[in-house]
Parts: sequence; structure tokens; C-alpha cells
Amino acid sequence: DVKVTQSSRYLVKRTGEKVFLECVQDMDHENMFWYRQDPGLGLRLIYFSYDVKMKEKGDIPEGYSVSREKKERFSLILESASTNQTSMYLCASSLLLSGTEQYFGPGTRLTVT
Amino acid sequence: GDSVTQMEGPVTLSEEAFLTINCTYTATGYPSLFWYVQYPGEGLQLLLKATKADDKGSNKGFEATYRKETTSFHLEKGSVQVSDSAVYFCALRNTGNQFYFGTGTSLTVIP
Repeated sequence: DVKVTQSSRYLVKRTGEKVFLECVQDMDHENMFWYRQDPGLGLRLIYFSYDVKMKEKGDIPEGYSVSREKKERFSLILESASTNQTSMYLCASSLLLSGTEQYFGPGTRLTVT
Repeated sequence: GDSVTQMEGPVTLSEEAFLTINCTYTATGYPSLFWYVQYPGEGLQLLLKATKADDKGSNKGFEATYRKETTSFHLEKGSVQVSDSAVYFCALRNTGNQFYFGTGTSLTVIP
């Protein structure tokens, strides 16, 4: 079974802190994604990566950066956390192969106070 | 641009009722279509998928048929159970390797 793991299920940080969210997948997937999920807004894509050291901005990249140094690991960084970044963060991965689905991690619920 | 529109919720049904959640899409070419389910406090799980027109995806009693002519992929189940209570997301993957999601439909099944 494909497994996507995220470093924390719950995280509480203070405004202005630098926050790292880690995601690891074990199925050699080329694509990796970071979304945030907010009530009434569905999933919004923050960044994605289709290869090591490659990244593409999604719909809402402002205030975030990412790092992909190894194929299996995709990190989301909040350079200076703000209260409006309180959300559920979901990581996903997929094969590059057309028609294949994404696999999601369990999510990290981040609260910024 | 490409997009997915799904039925607004929340939906509340009695156990054993028939379920339909509507989903329509906009995309060029022939996208692949998916239904995901999200249980409380968890990530999304793939429920079913279809990769070409007229394909029917099915899993756990749920079904959806890829209708190119109506650009739809409606989710159905003949008899829902309390354990089906969750949020359901319709999604597509286009030929450009991009994924698009609907906003989700919350389903509550009452005994």
C-alpha cells in the first residue's frame, strides 16, 4: 500500500515563527503536492513538485515556500507564520503517469496564535 | 480554465436511502475523473475513478459513470449506511498533469 506520512497531526505555533511541515511518501512517486483545506473553500493548491529540486506555484503560494531535496520528501515552510495560516494542511503524491490518482497523507492541523 | 463543480451540501439521509451527489466538470481533452472520501480528522482516500468516457468506477457499493456528453461524473449509492457519513470530493486530472477538486459535499446518514 502507498503510504504518505506527515510529520505532525497537530501543531500549535506563535505568530512570526518559522514552521516546517514534512511529508514523506514511500512509493517512488514523481509528483508531490501541498494543499490547505478550509471550511467552505475545499482544497487549495499551495505548491507542487514533479521532480527533485523542481517546484511550481499553485493557487495560493504567498507566505509559503517548499523544498524537495529527495524524491520521497516534500517540505512546506511558513517563513513567518501568521494567524491566517491556521488551517488543515494536506500533502499528496502521485505518479507522473497520466490518469493515475493522488494519495493523501492524514493532514496536519496547524494553529497559529 | 479547468474546474469541477459539485453539489452543495450538507446532505442528510436516512439509512438505506438512495444517494446521488452531482458532479460536473470543465476540461479540454479527456481528463481522468475521481471521487475521494474524507472521514473526520483524516486525509482524502480514493473511492473510485474512471479514465475514459463511458467508464464506470465502482467501490464499496458506490458507482459513478464518466459521461463525456454531459461532462458529468455523478456519485451514486443504492443504500447508504451510517458509516458512509463523510465528505465527498469530486476531482479531475487533466492531460497537463494538473488536479482540480470540487469544494466537497458533506454527507450525514442517520439511523
